[in-house]
Amino acid sequence: SQQGEEDPQALSIQEGENATMNCSYKTSINNLQWYRQNSGRGLVHLILIRSNEREKHSGRLRVTLDTSKKSSSLLITASRAADTASYFCVQNAGGTSYGKLTFGQGTILTVHP
Amino acid sequence: DAGVTQSPTHLIKTRGQHVTLRCSPISGHKSVSWYQQVLGQGPQFIFQYYEKEERGRGNFPDRFSARQFPNYSSELNVNALLLGDSALYLCASSFRVAQGTITGELFFGEGSRLTVL
Repeated sequence: SQQGEEDPQALSIQEGENATMNCSYKTSINNLQWYRQNSGRGLVHLILIRSNEREKHSGRLRVTLDTSKKSSSLLITASRAADTASYFCVQNAGGTSYGKLTFGQGTILTVHP
Repeated sequence: DAGVTQSPTHLIKTRGQHVTLRCSPISGHKSVSWYQQVLGQGPQFIFQYYEKEERGRGNFPDRFSARQFPNYSSELNVNALLLGDSALYLCASSFRVAQGTITGELFFGEGSRLTVL
């Protein structure tokens, strides 16, 4: 399988705490993206990091990428109950992979008020 | 601005039947992708269309087919439904495309939830 793996599979924290999710992947990438999904609904794009970037910020989100270890992490700071969702790390191999983005199984984040 | 719209939102079919799912991309997006998400798993790539041509196909049987129309909307068809086809079917459109390859983010619809009995 070319799927990446997210770690942990589930994460439970209190409001205000930081949440860190990790992702490992197996093939070379053009970019790596993180998406959020609320209760089995459509996915929402959070952030994209290109293979030549090491860190990227967007609001309360911070993403890092280590291509030598084929890994990425997503940090959500000062979490809120509304952050409760599943988070997916998505590999885009680019080139002839066309529209095939490879999703991991996701991390289920629960933020308790 | 309207996002990606999918129809129907829910449907129930019986084994052996046929289903057609529809998707309208965001205005200006010429690439449409289809994903299947089984409960508890991440989405799995089915097809990508760009400029009305199939550009990518995932590991799905020939019972799955799709097409893209001149207005860039798309249909996903599944024949001879099996119980295992029960899933959330997601459509996504993309603006950033180079030589048919998606280079940027996908914008997803809310999905069509198919139940096969």
